[in-house]
Amino acid sequence: DTAVSQTPKYLVTQMGNDKSIKCEQNLGHDTMYWYKQDSKKFLKIMFSYNNKELIINETVPNRFSPKSPDKAHLNLHINSLELGDSAVYFCASSPTTPGGRGGYTFGSGTRLTVV
Amino acid sequence: GQSLEQPSEVTAVEGAIVQINCTYQTSGFYGLSWYQQHDGGAPTFLSYNGLDGLEETGRFSSFLSRSDSYGYLLLQELQMKDSASYFCAVRDGDNQGGKLIFGQGTELSVKP
Repeated sequence: DTAVSQTPKYLVTQMGNDKSIKCEQNLGHDTMYWYKQDSKKFLKIMFSYNNKELIINETVPNRFSPKSPDKAHLNLHINSLELGDSAVYFCASSPTTPGGRGGYTFGSGTRLTVV
Repeated sequence: GQSLEQPSEVTAVEGAIVQINCTYQTSGFYGLSWYQQHDGGAPTFLSYNGLDGLEETGRFSSFLSRSDSYGYLLLQELQMKDSASYFCAVRDGDNQGGKLIFGQGTELSVKP
């Protein structure tokens, strides 16, 4: 299946721990993103990568560190987790098209709960 | 600042037509998109408007007026499965430099 897949789907962890979320896309897209969706369903961009290069870092605390080993993978590592990090994290990818016509394809999300 | 405004919730009955409006104020504009998200699911791409006018995709249509910084999503012949959140989103830059900025979402409830 062509898709954006992210793991794990659920993550429950204690404050202060470090965790990682992995994302892979087999759509051949050049650009990948991390979005955070809070409890009010607001979707906010965190990072974008184009061909392994960081393009956007949207004033995210440096406890969050994305890594893109190749253009098909974008992982997110979070250090020293805080209660406020609890949210659903979505990975997404898109083709690089003039005018931005290419829609984003989202992964199924990782529901992170920090206790 | 950058903001997109859309109603927080809309209720309609099966078979009806519903319109979800979106107004935007962003530093750059490279098109208005719409996404659907069912509870517990991922946002899925519905439509894109780069130029003024109406785009039709089956039961869904989307409209854009750039001079009014306004667009809407029109859902016809509503079905129960259309109950979901709908997000408008503006791309604020071209090619890899842009990102999608989302509205806060409109929760659509379709009643029998």
